[in-house]
Amino acid sequence: DQQVKQNSPSLSVQEGRISILNCDYTNSMFDYFLWYKKYPAEGPTFLISISSIKDKNEDGRFTVFLNKSAKHLSLHIVPSQPGDSAVYFCAASARGSSNTGKLIFGQGTTLQVKP
Amino acid sequence: DGGITQSPKYLFRKEGQNVTLSCEQNLNHDAMYWYRQDPGQGLRLIYYSQIVNDFQKGDIAEGYSVSREKKESFPLTVTSAQKNPTAFYLCASRGQGGLNQPQHFGDGTRLSIL
Repeated sequence: DQQVKQNSPSLSVQEGRISILNCDYTNSMFDYFLWYKKYPAEGPTFLISISSIKDKNEDGRFTVFLNKSAKHLSLHIVPSQPGDSAVYFCAASARGSSNTGKLIFGQGTTLQVKP
Repeated sequence: DGGITQSPKYLFRKEGQNVTLSCEQNLNHDAMYWYRQDPGQGLRLIYYSQIVNDFQKGDIAEGYSVSREKKESFPLTVTSAQKNPTAFYLCASRGQGGLNQPQHFGDGTRLSIL
C-alpha cells in the first residue's frame, strides 16, 4: 500500500527550462510534506517543505505547491540547471507523528537537466 | 563541522553473519532513524529512536536490531534472520526545534552479500 506515489520514474528537461516533479498521496492525515534531493552514493539532502495549512512555499528557484483536495503536490525548479540532475524524493508525515518525525517516502523521480 | 557520519561506506556480509552499521551525529539531535533503500524504491523506515535508551520499530524491522546507549550514536545490526539484506542503508537525525523539522541524512552504507 503505497501512501506516497511518484508516478514518473524519470524526467528530462533542457537547461534553463522549468522542471515539474509530481507527487500524489492517499492518506488525508498527512499534514507536512517535504522534498529531498539525492545524488548517487550520497544521502538525501533536504530541499523544501510545506505545511498543509499552506498551498505554496517558495525558496529561490524551488517552489512547492500543495493541492489538498486532489492530494497532490508538485516541485517546480526554475530555471533548471545541470547541477539539479539527481533523484528527487517526496515525503510526508501524518498528524500525531510530527512529534516522532516519521516520514513516508515516495519512490523517487530521476531528473536529468541537459545542457 | 556538524553532521551525520555513517561507516563503513561499503560492507560485505557472509551468509549467517551479523553485521553492524555505525551512525554517529554531532548535531545534538534527540531523534535518529534508520532507513533502507532498494533500487527503484523509496526509503523505508527500519527503526527510530526519539531519545536515549528508547527506540521503536518502523515498517520493516524484522531481521534488524538497534541500540541507543548514547545520544550521538544509533548503530544498526543486520542479523542473519534478514534474508534479503542487500540494500543501501541510510541513517538520519532530527532536531527538536518545533513540530516540523526535516530529517538530515548521512551518506549511507551499501551492504552486499558475499
